[in-house]
Amino acid sequence: DGGITQSPKYLFRKEGQNVTLSCEQNLNHDAMYWYRQDPGQGLRLIYYSQIVNDFQKGDIAEGYSVSREKKESFPLTVTSAQKNPTAFYLCASTRGQPNTEAFFGQGTRLTVV
Amino acid sequence: EDKVVQSPLSLVVHEGDTVTLNCSYEVTNFRSLLWYKQEKKAPTFLFMLTSSGIEKKSGRLSSILDKKELFSILNITATQTGDSAVYLCAVTPRYDGSGNTGKLIFGQGTTLQVKP
Repeated sequence: DGGITQSPKYLFRKEGQNVTLSCEQNLNHDAMYWYRQDPGQGLRLIYYSQIVNDFQKGDIAEGYSVSREKKESFPLTVTSAQKNPTAFYLCASTRGQPNTEAFFGQGTRLTVV
Repeated sequence: EDKVVQSPLSLVVHEGDTVTLNCSYEVTNFRSLLWYKQEKKAPTFLFMLTSSGIEKKSGRLSSILDKKELFSILNITATQTGDSAVYLCAVTPRYDGSGNTGKLIFGQGTTLQVKP
């Protein structure tokens, strides 16, 4: 079955450490997105990528980095520069136009200890 | 700056009530508006709206788009406790012919709690 897989589901990190969240899709989607969700809030865009080897900053990119070396994969690194990284992270993908429905992974909950 | 604003931010109702959730947007080159329901983890897709005035329905849920006034509403009739969730509205920009699908822009969500 096609879908988006995020791993791990839960992640604990010590302050000052970098950590990488995985996002893989087998939907043959062109565009992929990373969102951050804090309790009681909506989704805020961190980075997005429309094609391989290209990505753009979203609204809250500071302290994060991404890569898009393969169409299927869009990993997100939360660096030590991110001041408040504890949050729920969602990865999404969309096919090219005209169908723009986004499919989501199950999310990764990152906690800094 | 493109933005999507949802209201109310939270809502508490009793089973059987009807609720209306609002989504207004300011987006350059609008293409479509999407509604999602998020219960625990991944949002699940509800509706995609591209044309004004055409109601989309799925059971007790319905939604309509007004492209002139730049807003959409999501109605839920005869609410049940299982409708308790965060409802998210998102807007996608128009395809510009260069392969640019642009950003998927979300509102802050409406948290709905349905009490028995």
